[in-house]
Amino acid sequence: ELKVEQNPLFLSMQEGKNYTIYCNYSTTSDRLYWYRQDPGKSLESLFVLLSNGAVKQEGRLMASLDTKARLSTLHITAAVHDLSATYFCAGGTIRGAQKLVFGQGTRLTINP
Amino acid sequence: GAGVSQSPSNKVTEKGKDVELRCDPISGHTALYWYRQSLGQGLEFLIYFQGNSAPDKSGLPSDRFSAERTGGSVSTLTIQRTQQEDSAVYLCASRGVASQANYGYTFGSGTRLTVV
Repeated sequence: ELKVEQNPLFLSMQEGKNYTIYCNYSTTSDRLYWYRQDPGKSLESLFVLLSNGAVKQEGRLMASLDTKARLSTLHITAAVHDLSATYFCAGGTIRGAQKLVFGQGTRLTINP
Repeated sequence: GAGVSQSPSNKVTEKGKDVELRCDPISGHTALYWYRQSLGQGLEFLIYFQGNSAPDKSGLPSDRFSAERTGGSVSTLTIQRTQQEDSAVYLCASRGVASQANYGYTFGSGTRLTVV
């Protein structure tokens, strides 16, 4: 059974700094997803990582996947206040129900 | 429609009452999922529908929970005899076909259920 763990669960940082959120998963996952959730809102898809070594970037966010280490990272470069949100990673398979298994989420607060 | 639509957005109900939550997925998406997001519990899979196949109900927490999907489109999640521990945000997601480049899941805005 796939289990997904994120760390840290809470992160408070200053604008302009860099930081990384880590996502470990327990068994083979065919795809790794990153979502953003603002308070009271739904989940917004950020990245889908499909294969080992995949790297995707959008603005100040960059996600990568290492399937051998069963690790995905979400790197934030020169953080800005607008990036404050909760970030979830989720593993998924392409067989069976293909349901997503989510990590606990990382609540990111970026202080001006 | 353009996105996944859920209704109602908020529901307050008395303990013991039944509630129905509705999800209207993206047109053409054959897969539909229900998740529950409770404070401190993260996102929990409830049920999955794929086309005309039998649903995967493995995540439903008790027999008070049921869901159906009519005509391969709209889905209704029903909770009977609600309990306070059912209070949560119920999220619906739909997914396109494997041939799509990002094979992404699109989530609705959720229904916030409060049982008092």
